[in-house]
Amino acid sequence: QKEVEQNSGPLSVPEGAIASLNCTYSDRGSQSFFWYRQYSGKSPELIMSIYSNGDKEDGRFTAQLNKASQYVSLLIRDSQPSDSATYLCAVRRNFNKFYFGSGTKLNVKP
Amino acid sequence: DTGVSQDPRHKITKRGQNVTFRCDPISEHNRLYWYRQTLGQGPEFLTYFQNEAQLEKSRLLSDRFSAERPKGSFSTLEIQRTEQGDSAMYLCASSSTRASHNEQFFGPGTRLTVL
Repeated sequence: QKEVEQNSGPLSVPEGAIASLNCTYSDRGSQSFFWYRQYSGKSPELIMSIYSNGDKEDGRFTAQLNKASQYVSLLIRDSQPSDSATYLCAVRRNFNKFYFGSGTKLNVKP
Repeated sequence: DTGVSQDPRHKITKRGQNVTFRCDPISEHNRLYWYRQTLGQGPEFLTYFQNEAQLEKSRLLSDRFSAERPKGSFSTLEIQRTEQGDSAMYLCASSSTRASHNEQFFGPGTRLTVL
């Protein structure tokens, strides 16, 4: 079983719609959760972090965490073509070790 | 505030050669991580340093790989006797112990091609 699982996609949404990206993790001891955006050929860019159950909003982005279900999600409101990228979910456990999912590719169609 | 920098950005080498990559973290960050990423996969942990101490090394990392951070600032990753399977993007990330949840910031990466 992988530490972090993501649907590889691609997830296609029309411009202006809400994109919903999901991630599950295997270790209940995971402490912090992160979403990174990665454009093709570029390195990952941190966009959101969440540590407590519930929702955390930052601009058009909302991260949701449910530790009981070992589930993390990222909602992108008013999706733009510039949001088209691969979104990586990462979890931190064992204090300072990070595990990444394989990413979900998002396509936002104009 | 400059971000994480890596050098070189691209490296093409022949099988069997040694290569060395450099990472300069964000200046006040005392933790430094190396990852490897192949197409369609997420970054895979290789090793990490807190200051100059190498605290963990992936069991997947063969003894051809070695990393150093001699003065707790920049770090180098060396791959000896490169193999075609080493072709990947090598990413460096840094973070601060003062950040409550150890948020990591990545450099631009070094893309290695082994012919």
